[in-house]
Amino acid sequence: DQQVKQNSPSLSVQEGRISILNCDYTNSMFDYFLWYKKYPAEGPTFLISISSIKDKNEDGRFTVFLNKSAKHLSLHIVPSQPGDSAVYFCAASASGAGSYQLTFGKGTKLSVIP
Amino acid sequence: DSGVTQTPKHLITATGQRVTLRCSPRSGDLSVYWYQQSLDQGLQFLIHYYNGEERAKGNILERFSAQQFPDLHSELNLSSLELGDSALYFCASSAGGTGVQETQYFGPGTRLLVL
Repeated sequence: DQQVKQNSPSLSVQEGRISILNCDYTNSMFDYFLWYKKYPAEGPTFLISISSIKDKNEDGRFTVFLNKSAKHLSLHIVPSQPGDSAVYFCAASASGAGSYQLTFGKGTKLSVIP
Repeated sequence: DSGVTQTPKHLITATGQRVTLRCSPRSGDLSVYWYQQSLDQGLQFLIHYYNGEERAKGNILERFSAQQFPDLHSELNLSSLELGDSALYFCASSAGGTGVQETQYFGPGTRLLVL
């Protein structure tokens, strides 16, 4: 049972345009969400996070939106750059259990075309 | 560079063997998490240690075990290896003990190939 889903395995975007990566979750106990970027042969790199008490968080070119009622979050990258080409993972965790282990989606491969 | 180190980077071994993967967390971090990334399953949580104590277990097989030492480095032991254990194994660390959600920072991973 996949609790975090990224339904688009891949996405291609022109340089300078907006990239929108989507993520859905099913576990209503999740209250913290993160996006990681991963290049081949490297570990995931933290990009941006959002707590369930917010609906938006911005950091430079990256903005994460959270829609709790729809159990949906999205990552916007504006403007997209060729260096953004990587696999992006959505992850979620739940408070209260003494451990904040992450549940990951299977990733979306973003290709930014120059 | 996340500050999390993992050794070895690559490991090739045979079925039935035992291996140990090592992780050093970022300076000052008390929590260490282990994750497995296989082709068909994505990144899956295995186990979490905080300041030497096991905090949570995920999809970790009984053939696998881990520990965190007083200097806070952690080791993941995989025994009676099977072909299906071939995967990338990542360690992540976070500050730990803050009582609030924390960002986890990942190491570069160990690629295990079981032949």
